[in-house]
Amino acid sequence: DAGVTQSPTHLIKTRGQQVTLRCSPKSGHDTVSWYQQALGQGPQFIFQYYEEEERQRGNFPDRFSGHQFPNYSSELNVNALLLGDSALYLCASSLARFNSPLHFGNGTRLTVT
Amino acid sequence: DQQVKQNSPSLSVQEGRISILNCDYTNSMFDYFLWYKKYPAEGPTFLISISSIKDKNEDGRFTVFLNKSAKHLSLHIVPSQPGDSAVYFCAAKYPWGKLQFGAGTQVVVTP
Repeated sequence: DAGVTQSPTHLIKTRGQQVTLRCSPKSGHDTVSWYQQALGQGPQFIFQYYEEEERQRGNFPDRFSGHQFPNYSSELNVNALLLGDSALYLCASSLARFNSPLHFGNGTRLTVT
Repeated sequence: DQQVKQNSPSLSVQEGRISILNCDYTNSMFDYFLWYKKYPAEGPTFLISISSIKDKNEDGRFTVFLNKSAKHLSLHIVPSQPGDSAVYFCAAKYPWGKLQFGAGTQVVVTP
């Protein structure tokens, strides 16, 4: 039973560029959430997708956008990259039912130079 | 926005002893609390959770206690094992599903 898979594992981009990160949820899960984890901090909520729509959003600018596909997989897009966007980006999947715990992938380490 | 605080960035404990990790929160809207464990180069792994209407939940070596009046929860690991060495995150859930994480506590279990 495959868990949450994310690609790529590492990425180096230049300031001003755009990046797309990908996530496949755990089998049977229908909800995908994205988190940003800066060094020495806990994960910060970016947004959540369910039924191909953004359901909730954290305090992140519009440069951060996403998409969920009919097979429940998801993408996170970041435009006009800033140095401060360097972080570990975590995807988590869950079931829409109440209090289903999040299952995290291993993350994508993004470095912006 | 430090609604969930883990005030101890690190904890060192001897193998076989009890590890106690603490977490404080400020928002009364949180309805569920979770603990996650994270090894380097891996994503956080769900450990144990507790509803805001309970005061204790136990799963094997792991017990979570919730003191709602003090807005405080703790995770007890008994006995501690070398494989428990990891970063532990406390997380609080809003009713609409968003999780708010603490900054984490690095646990080192020594022989």
